[in-house]
Amino acid sequence: QSVLTQPPSVSAAPGQKVTISCSGINSNIGNNYVSWYQQLPGTAPKLLIYDNNERPSGIPDRFSGSKSGTSATLGITGLQTGDEADYYCGTWDSSLYIYVFGTGTKVTVL
Amino acid sequence: EVQLLESGGGLVQPGGSLRLSCAASRFTFSDYAMNWFRQAPGKGLGLEWVSAISGSGGSTWYPDSVQGRFTISRDNSKNTLYLQVNSLRAEDTAVYYCAKDRWQWPGGGIDYWGQGALVTVSS
Repeated sequence: QSVLTQPPSVSAAPGQKVTISCSGINSNIGNNYVSWYQQLPGTAPKLLIYDNNERPSGIPDRFSGSKSGTSATLGITGLQTGDEADYYCGTWDSSLYIYVFGTGTKVTVL
Repeated sequence: EVQLLESGGGLVQPGGSLRLSCAASRFTFSDYAMNWFRQAPGKGLGLEWVSAISGSGGSTWYPDSVQGRFTISRDNSKNTLYLQVNSLRAEDTAVYYCAKDRWQWPGGGIDYWGQGALVTVSS
């Protein structure tokens, strides 16, 4: 039961930039921090961005996050073939007291 | 590096029960909330959160979809997280992930994930 809306897929050529949107409501994105996760084929998800725009150690600065109101965005610059994966946004919903995740976006490098 | 190792997955008949375990290491287990997520195989995109528990174990959270059938618990003396799943249905078939929260309470985001345990519900 995905509550946050993401585009099903985005694509671009190597070296280009893609952005992935994540749309929610006040009780989730509007009032809580957003995280982003990368899931490579056949592996567990991996944290890319936390607290809307912070990168964990080891995550290259090609990955960036932002939030405005009830929407968040993940940006990937200098796209590489190794970036082909599924990407999910997630946050807490402080009215329902549950974690909510996005529908997921498949990134394809052309 | 944090390690989370799930076990207990397998084939279960509809209506049956199963207990998943997650052995945690290389961090102070009781300082962090823990979660379980699941992902149905072959269904394309989709990551579903199914439970959370506070660092102390005193508070738990569930989505409506599993409330009453799933029970999360933890043993901080053994650095182990559990998920008891009852009245299993075909739609519970999924890879179940143990996941560490960034905070003592859920909501800080997930910074580490286990490798997953496959649960298949079928007769």
